[in-house]
Amino acid sequence: EVKLVESGGGLVQPGGSLRLSCAASGFTVSGNYMSWVRQAPGKGLEWVSVISSGDNTYYADSVKGRFTISRDTSKNTVHLQMNSLRAEDTAVYYCARINTMSAVDYWGQGTLVTVSS
Amino acid sequence: QSVLTQPPSVSGAPGQRVTISCTGSSSNIGAGYEVHWYQQFPGTAPKLLIYGNSNRPSGVPDRFSGSKSGTSASLAITGLQAEDEADYYCQSYDSSLSVRRVFGGGTKLTVL
Repeated sequence: EVKLVESGGGLVQPGGSLRLSCAASGFTVSGNYMSWVRQAPGKGLEWVSVISSGDNTYYADSVKGRFTISRDTSKNTVHLQMNSLRAEDTAVYYCARINTMSAVDYWGQGTLVTVSS
Repeated sequence: QSVLTQPPSVSGAPGQRVTISCTGSSSNIGAGYEVHWYQQFPGTAPKLLIYGNSNRPSGVPDRFSGSKSGTSASLAITGLQAEDEADYYCQSYDSSLSVRRVFGGGTKLTVL
Protein backbone atom coordinates (compact mmCIF):
# COMPACT_ATOMS: atom_id res chain seq x y z
CA GLU A 1 0.00 0.00 0.00
CA VAL A 2 1.31 3.43 -0.96
CA LYS A 3 1.48 5.87 1.92
CA LEU A 4 2.92 9.36 2.41
CA VAL A 5 3.32 10.77 5.93
CA GLU A 6 4.40 14.38 6.44
CA SER A 7 6.01 15.80 9.55
CA GLY A 8 7.84 18.92 10.66
CA GLY A 9 5.12 21.53 10.52
CA GLY A 10 4.47 23.99 13.30
CA LEU A 11 4.55 27.62 14.39
CA VAL A 12 7.53 29.69 13.33
CA GLN A 13 8.30 33.40 13.44
CA PRO A 14 8.69 35.45 10.26
CA GLY A 15 12.21 35.03 8.94
CA GLY A 16 12.56 31.63 10.55
CA SER A 17 13.14 28.19 9.08
CA LEU A 18 11.41 24.82 9.06
CA ARG A 19 12.20 21.48 7.47
CA LEU A 20 9.31 19.34 6.35
CA SER A 21 9.73 15.61 5.83
CA CYS A 22 7.64 13.14 3.87
CA ALA A 23 8.14 9.46 4.64
CA ALA A 24 7.04 7.24 1.79
CA SER A 25 6.12 3.57 1.90
CA GLY A 26 4.89 1.14 -0.72
CA PHE A 27 7.15 2.58 -3.44
CA THR A 28 10.58 4.16 -3.82
CA VAL A 29 10.87 7.95 -3.98
CA SER A 30 13.99 7.64 -6.12
CA GLY A 31 12.05 6.36 -9.10
CA ASN A 32 9.28 8.91 -8.99
CA TYR A 33 8.57 12.59 -9.37
CA MET A 34 7.74 13.94 -5.92
CA SER A 35 6.32 17.30 -4.98
CA TRP A 36 5.04 19.64 -2.31
CA VAL A 37 1.69 21.36 -2.74
CA ARG A 38 0.33 23.87 -0.26
CA GLN A 39 -3.06 25.27 0.60
CA ALA A 40 -3.42 28.49 2.54
CA PRO A 41 -6.42 28.71 4.90
CA GLY A 42 -9.60 28.98 2.86
CA LYS A 43 -7.67 29.12 -0.42
CA GLY A 44 -6.92 26.83 -3.34
CA LEU A 45 -4.08 24.47 -4.09
CA GLU A 46 -0.66 25.82 -5.05
CA TRP A 47 2.31 23.91 -6.40
CA VAL A 48 5.39 24.70 -4.31
CA SER A 49 8.15 22.44 -5.60
CA VAL A 50 8.86 19.33 -7.66
CA ILE A 51 11.83 16.96 -7.78
CA SER A 52 12.11 14.71 -10.79
CA SER A 53 13.29 11.12 -10.87
CA GLY A 54 16.50 12.52 -12.32
CA ASP A 55 16.89 15.02 -9.47
CA ASN A 56 15.91 18.09 -11.46
CA THR A 57 14.16 20.54 -9.18
CA TYR A 58 11.45 23.09 -9.86
CA TYR A 59 10.07 25.85 -7.66
CA ALA A 60 7.18 28.27 -7.70
CA ASP A 61 8.34 31.87 -8.16
CA SER A 62 6.94 32.69 -4.72
CA VAL A 63 9.40 30.35 -2.96
CA LYS A 64 12.40 30.31 -5.30
CA GLY A 65 15.63 31.05 -3.46
CA ARG A 66 14.01 30.35 -0.07
CA PHE A 67 12.82 26.72 -0.30
CA THR A 68 14.83 23.64 -1.25
CA ILE A 69 13.42 20.23 -2.11
CA SER A 70 15.58 17.15 -1.66
CA ARG A 71 15.36 13.39 -1.49
CA ASP A 72 16.97 10.87 0.90
CA THR A 73 16.84 7.54 -0.85
CA SER A 74 18.30 5.66 2.13
CA LYS A 75 15.27 6.68 4.20
CA ASN A 76 12.80 6.80 1.29
CA THR A 77 11.98 10.35 2.31
CA VAL A 78 11.49 13.72 0.64
CA HIS A 79 12.29 16.97 2.41
CA LEU A 80 11.36 20.61 1.98
CA GLN A 81 13.75 23.05 3.63
CA MET A 82 11.96 26.36 4.10
CA ASN A 83 14.00 29.45 4.97
CA SER A 84 13.15 33.14 5.33
CA LEU A 85 9.55 32.25 6.03
CA ARG A 86 6.85 34.86 5.54
CA ALA A 87 3.29 35.17 6.79
CA GLU A 88 2.05 34.30 3.31
CA ASP A 89 3.75 30.89 3.56
CA THR A 90 1.18 29.90 6.19
CA ALA A 91 -0.60 26.84 4.77
CA VAL A 92 -1.15 23.13 4.96
CA TYR A 93 1.70 21.52 3.06
CA TYR A 94 0.96 18.27 1.26
CA CYS A 95 3.53 15.79 0.04
CA ALA A 96 2.43 14.30 -3.27
CA ARG A 97 3.57 11.69 -5.78
CA ILE A 98 3.30 12.63 -9.44
CA ASN A 99 2.54 9.78 -11.82
CA THR A 100 3.77 9.33 -15.37
CA MET A 101 0.86 11.36 -16.72
CA SER A 102 1.82 14.30 -14.48
CA ALA A 103 -1.16 13.80 -12.17
CA VAL A 104 -0.89 13.50 -8.40
CA ASP A 105 -1.95 9.95 -7.67
CA TYR A 106 -1.08 9.90 -3.97
CA TRP A 107 -1.26 12.62 -1.33
CA GLY A 108 -0.11 12.77 2.26
CA GLN A 109 -2.44 13.95 5.01
CA GLY A 110 -0.77 17.37 5.16
CA THR A 111 1.17 19.27 7.80
CA LEU A 112 0.28 22.78 8.95
CA VAL A 113 2.88 25.53 8.83
CA THR A 114 1.99 28.76 10.59
CA VAL A 115 4.26 31.78 10.21
CA SER A 116 3.41 34.36 12.83
CA SER A 117 4.99 36.44 15.55
CA GLN B 1 -5.25 34.43 -10.07
CA SER B 2 -4.45 31.01 -11.51
CA VAL B 3 -3.52 30.49 -15.15
CA LEU B 4 -6.28 27.85 -15.23
CA THR B 5 -9.65 29.53 -14.74
CA GLN B 6 -12.53 27.75 -13.03
CA PRO B 7 -15.89 29.16 -11.92
CA PRO B 8 -15.79 29.81 -8.16
CA SER B 9 -19.02 27.91 -7.61
CA VAL B 10 -21.61 25.73 -9.28
CA SER B 11 -24.75 24.14 -7.91
CA GLY B 12 -27.34 21.58 -8.82
CA ALA B 13 -30.18 19.55 -7.39
CA PRO B 14 -29.87 15.86 -6.60
CA GLY B 15 -30.08 13.77 -9.76
CA GLN B 16 -29.11 16.64 -12.05
CA ARG B 17 -26.03 17.02 -14.24
CA VAL B 18 -23.47 19.73 -13.60
CA THR B 19 -20.31 20.69 -15.42
CA ILE B 20 -17.22 22.52 -14.21
CA SER B 21 -15.08 24.26 -16.77
CA CYS B 22 -11.32 24.80 -16.74
CA THR B 23 -9.98 27.36 -19.20
CA GLY B 24 -6.29 27.56 -19.97
CA SER B 25 -4.02 28.86 -22.71
CA SER B 26 -1.48 27.90 -25.33
CA SER B 27 1.19 27.17 -22.70
CA ASN B 28 -0.85 24.55 -20.88
CA ILE B 29 -4.08 22.89 -22.06
CA GLY B 30 -3.80 24.35 -25.55
CA ALA B 31 -0.29 22.95 -25.93
CA GLY B 32 -1.69 19.45 -25.66
CA TYR B 33 -0.88 18.81 -22.02
CA GLU B 34 -3.31 16.58 -20.21
CA VAL B 35 -5.81 17.77 -17.65
CA HIS B 36 -6.46 16.10 -14.33
CA TRP B 37 -9.24 16.70 -11.81
CA TYR B 38 -9.28 16.41 -8.02
CA GLN B 39 -12.04 16.32 -5.43
CA GLN B 40 -11.43 17.75 -1.96
CA PHE B 41 -13.63 17.64 1.12
CA PRO B 42 -13.06 20.15 3.96
CA GLY B 43 -10.11 19.26 6.15
CA THR B 44 -8.91 16.42 3.95
CA ALA B 45 -6.31 15.94 1.24
CA PRO B 46 -7.41 16.14 -2.39
CA LYS B 47 -8.22 12.92 -4.22
CA LEU B 48 -7.50 12.19 -7.88
CA LEU B 49 -10.82 12.02 -9.71
CA ILE B 50 -9.92 12.12 -13.42
CA TYR B 51 -6.48 11.77 -15.01
CA GLY B 52 -5.30 12.13 -18.58
CA ASN B 53 -8.33 14.26 -19.55
CA SER B 54 -10.92 11.51 -19.27
CA ASN B 55 -9.66 8.49 -17.32
CA ARG B 56 -11.10 7.45 -13.97
CA PRO B 57 -8.91 5.82 -11.30
CA SER B 58 -10.22 2.60 -9.85
CA GLY B 59 -13.08 3.24 -7.47
CA VAL B 60 -14.29 6.52 -8.97
CA PRO B 61 -17.94 6.20 -10.04
CA ASP B 62 -18.71 6.54 -13.74
CA ARG B 63 -20.99 9.46 -12.85
CA PHE B 64 -17.77 11.50 -13.10
CA SER B 65 -16.35 12.16 -16.56
CA GLY B 66 -13.81 14.50 -18.10
CA SER B 67 -13.25 15.97 -21.50
CA LYS B 68 -10.88 18.39 -23.21
CA SER B 69 -11.09 20.55 -26.30
CA GLY B 70 -8.72 23.24 -27.46
CA THR B 71 -7.62 25.36 -24.52
CA SER B 72 -10.37 24.14 -22.18
CA ALA B 73 -11.45 21.09 -20.24
CA SER B 74 -14.59 20.11 -18.40
CA LEU B 75 -15.63 17.86 -15.56
CA ALA B 76 -19.17 16.52 -15.72
CA ILE B 77 -21.05 14.96 -12.84
CA THR B 78 -24.30 13.18 -13.63
CA GLY B 79 -26.89 11.90 -11.17
CA LEU B 80 -25.74 14.45 -8.61
CA GLN B 81 -25.67 13.18 -5.03
CA ALA B 82 -25.43 15.01 -1.72
CA GLU B 83 -22.01 13.45 -1.07
CA ASP B 84 -20.62 15.09 -4.22
CA GLU B 85 -20.64 18.45 -2.44
CA ALA B 86 -16.96 19.35 -2.35
CA ASP B 87 -14.28 21.51 -3.95
CA TYR B 88 -13.03 20.48 -7.39
CA TYR B 89 -9.69 21.46 -8.94
CA CYS B 90 -8.33 21.03 -12.44
CA GLN B 91 -4.58 20.67 -13.00
CA SER B 92 -2.25 20.62 -15.96
CA TYR B 93 1.35 21.07 -17.02
CA ASP B 94 2.45 24.57 -18.01
CA SER B 95 5.71 25.11 -19.84
CA SER B 96 5.78 28.82 -18.98
CA LEU B 97 5.87 28.33 -15.22
CA SER B 98 9.04 27.74 -13.25
CA VAL B 99 7.35 24.94 -11.30
CA ARG B 100 5.91 23.56 -14.57
CA ARG B 101 2.58 22.50 -13.07
CA VAL B 102 -0.54 24.44 -12.17
CA PHE B 103 -3.91 24.02 -10.48
CA GLY B 104 -7.06 25.86 -11.32
CA GLY B 105 -8.49 28.15 -8.67
CA GLY B 106 -11.03 25.56 -7.59
CA THR B 107 -14.82 25.28 -7.81
CA LYS B 108 -17.15 24.77 -4.89
CA LEU B 109 -19.99 22.41 -5.82
CA THR B 110 -23.16 22.83 -3.79
CA VAL B 111 -25.88 20.20 -3.95
CA LEU B 112 -29.17 22.00 -3.37
